[in-house]
Amino acid sequence: DAGVTQSPTHLIKTRGQQVTLRCSPISGHKSVSWYQQVLGQGPQFIFQYYEKEERGRGNFPDRFSARQFPNYSSELNVNALLLGDSALYLCASSPSGTSVETQYFGPGTRLLVL
Amino acid sequence: SQQGEEDPQALSIQEGENATMNCSYKTSINNLQWYRQNSGRGLVHLILIRSNEREKHSGRLRVTLDTSKKSSSLLITASRAADTASYFCATASNDYKLSFGAGTTVTVRA
Repeated sequence: DAGVTQSPTHLIKTRGQQVTLRCSPISGHKSVSWYQQVLGQGPQFIFQYYEKEERGRGNFPDRFSARQFPNYSSELNVNALLLGDSALYLCASSPSGTSVETQYFGPGTRLLVL
Repeated sequence: SQQGEEDPQALSIQEGENATMNCSYKTSINNLQWYRQNSGRGLVHLILIRSNEREKHSGRLRVTLDTSKKSSSLLITASRAADTASYFCATASNDYKLSFGAGTTVTVRA
């Protein structure tokens, strides 16, 4: 079975630009979560979506937004990029996104903001 | 802010030795999970231990959980070069997110 997939794998942007990252969950999983991992730190929760509804949001500014599509894939958008947005962006999926479940992570998208 | 804190930050061991890393957290949890990350890529789930469990095994991995001390440990026995990676603990409470620590970087020398 295919795991969680993310695209693109790498991305270079300049300050002020906008970026869209994509994630496809494991087949049958209805929940997608996004995490940001800055170099040398652990992942930080950004969003969780379940059945196309935002279920939770971390401590990130409004420049970060996301959505989930009817096929449960998801996009993360970041506007007005800052140098500090440079990070590995990880997507995770699970059947229903509850705290009792294992979350399965994709390979990540590495974003570099110059 | 990070919920969990791993200790040590880095660990270097000889192939065949055991590696132990610890995780402490601050609030009550539903479960605690350990993940491995190779070279800054995606996270691989290793093991999940529920708050009412004290010990769990999976292959060469042994995880303990002490909810009274709000701490967990991960033991990797008979380490191999392929175990070289960063290891993260993540806590799950009654909301929907995982809260990660900063990780322990393990280097296994041949």
